[in-house]
Amino acid sequence: EPEVTQTPSHQVTQMGQEVILRCVPISNHLYFYWYRQILGQKVEFLVSFYNNEISEKSEIFDDQFSVERPDGSNFTLKIRSTKLEDSAMYFCASRQGARREQFFGPGTRLTVL
Amino acid sequence: AQSVTQLDSQVPVFEEAPVELRCNYSSSVSVYLFWYVQYPNQGLQLLLKYLSGSTLVKGINGFEAEFNKSQTSFHLRKPSVHISDTAEYFCAVGEGGGSNYKLTFGKGTLLTVNP
Repeated sequence: EPEVTQTPSHQVTQMGQEVILRCVPISNHLYFYWYRQILGQKVEFLVSFYNNEISEKSEIFDDQFSVERPDGSNFTLKIRSTKLEDSAMYFCASRQGARREQFFGPGTRLTVL
Repeated sequence: AQSVTQLDSQVPVFEEAPVELRCNYSSSVSVYLFWYVQYPNQGLQLLLKYLSGSTLVKGINGFEAEFNKSQTSFHLRKPSVHISDTAEYFCAVGEGGGSNYKLTFGKGTLLTVNP
């Protein structure tokens, strides 16, 4: 069964550094998402991406964040200058065209020191 | 914007007992409802979904949920739980259309099944 994959599983970085989180969505899916979950809190929507552009972004997704689909398979989230409060689990998700369910990857745990 | 309320942050139960995890959502014209499960140190796995049709939906691992429009609820149930059901359970509602569609999650309920 096809799955969403994410790398790395855990990323440790120093405050102010740039990080890139990588995702490979399910191959025939058209809509791509990033969510995050701060420890002990709920999963929050960050951004949705369709047809090579951002469809919607939350207020969390400020100028420090960007997303890209550099080729036909990868979907990346970049944080330009990390802050302590960016420490969280970041989930990538994808969705097939007309279907409503989203399929999530295993997540990348980002720790900012 | 939608909101999702999971009233119980933690639910401890004994093995083989029944369980109900509660979820309420803010009303909307079209409602798409989901339960996801997160096992320790793992990602989110889709447990079941309500999109339309029968209000009682069955999912994986013996779980089921009932959509109640009048009470704006989508409670998750299992008649007899196992130790392996210990996990965090998230209720989510889908909102928006087309490329603006996204999920809004509740805060989660930690189900702990004790022997």
